[in-house]
Amino acid sequence: KQEVTQIPAALSVPEGENLVLNCSFTDSAIYNLQWFRQDPGKGLTSLLLIQSSQREQTSGRLNASLDKSSGRSTLYIAASQPGDSATYLCAVKTDSWGKLQFGAGTQVVVTP
Amino acid sequence: SQTIHQWPATLVQPVGSPLSLECTVEGTSNPNLYWYRQAAGRGLQLLFYSVGIGQISSEVPQNLSASRPQDRQFILSSKKLLLSDSGFYLCAWDSNSNTGELFFGEGSRLTVL
Repeated sequence: KQEVTQIPAALSVPEGENLVLNCSFTDSAIYNLQWFRQDPGKGLTSLLLIQSSQREQTSGRLNASLDKSSGRSTLYIAASQPGDSATYLCAVKTDSWGKLQFGAGTQVVVTP
Repeated sequence: SQTIHQWPATLVQPVGSPLSLECTVEGTSNPNLYWYRQAAGRGLQLLFYSVGIGQISSEVPQNLSASRPQDRQFILSSKKLLLSDSGFYLCAWDSNSNTGELFFGEGSRLTVL
């Protein structure tokens, strides 16, 4: 059974620092990996989708890498801002019809 | 562009009452549809998924049921709510492809008293 782990569970950084969020998964046979952002009381917003054949994806200040052989993905957020404060979740798609296995998330606080 | 809507956003119901949460997707056809639950202090749990009208699969046996009466409509129901049904319910969709990106609605907060 696929298990997804996110470390750390919580992270606090001063504004301007780069954020590094880690995601690990136990089964390397994945279709894709997706990073989401969740604000308190809100739904999930998709940030980046990395297909299993890709090594990384970039969108603005966000960059996500994927190393299937080691079962790891890392989300980098450059020059963090207070508006980046949220919970970040990674999820792995392991079945052809689209079931995602989620990590528990990393709660990020960026202080001004 | 595609959008997904969920309602109601917030619901407070007594134990034993019925439940109906609705989700609709616009701007796409034949989407895969999902209901997830996020309970306090726990991760997201897949409850139901549907690959087409009338086709529902359940991931976890529970007090809930789902229906898909139309291509872009997904309904989560219960005949009698339990306290343990409280949580944040999220509807999601992706295209009918195994490499598709998953998109979520804004969620429905259910409190059962």
